[in-house]
Amino acid sequence: DTGVSQDPRHKITKRGQNVTFRCDPISEHNRLYWYRQTLGQGPEFLTYFQNEAQLEKSRLLSDRFSAERPKGSFSTLEIQRTEQGDSAMYLCASTLNRGEAFFGQGTRLTVV
Amino acid sequence: DAKTTQPNSMESNEEEPVHLPCNHSTISGTDYIHWYRQLPSQGPEYVIHGLTSNVNNRMASLAIAEDRKSSTLILHRATLRDAAVYYCILTSYSGAGSYQLTFGKGTKLSVIP
Repeated sequence: DTGVSQDPRHKITKRGQNVTFRCDPISEHNRLYWYRQTLGQGPEFLTYFQNEAQLEKSRLLSDRFSAERPKGSFSTLEIQRTEQGDSAMYLCASTLNRGEAFFGQGTRLTVV
Repeated sequence: DAKTTQPNSMESNEEEPVHLPCNHSTISGTDYIHWYRQLPSQGPEYVIHGLTSNVNNRMASLAIAEDRKSSTLILHRATLRDAAVYYCILTSYSGAGSYQLTFGKGTKLSVIP
């Protein structure tokens, strides 16, 4: 399967713990996006990479969030000191330049 | 990004055509009209996009009004697998930028067997 894969699919964590999610984009895609989606809402943009460079960050991305894309391949999204408000579906998407976006199935985070 | 307006929900009978409307009265000349859909427990999936002319692909057709202030996604024969939330999104490709997608709440399509 050459689609976008995300790991884990589900994560339950206690408030205050750190969590890290991984996204493997389609191999030839140079652009990678992270989105967050809460129940009943459409996905909201968090951040964007072109190759290994993080070029844009939403104001939604607080200081507790950090994302990396070493060597322009897979990406990780880390949330430090999780809060209940961080509970959401975290979606990764990749594109080749301005092409259509391919989304992963997401990581559902529950903070208890 | 320019804003879009869609009905919150629609229903269709299985094997009937479905017309999903989208209003985008503030669209600019460089905005493309994209449609994505999200099936339950899945990430969004690209459906179709266009600029000025009507577009067809294997999944759907996109009809764009002459003034580009509205568009309609047409599913020619709804199946139960088409039950999803459909998002109409405007994206401008002019200048530098991430070309991020700005999702609204979309239209939840229910398909009745």
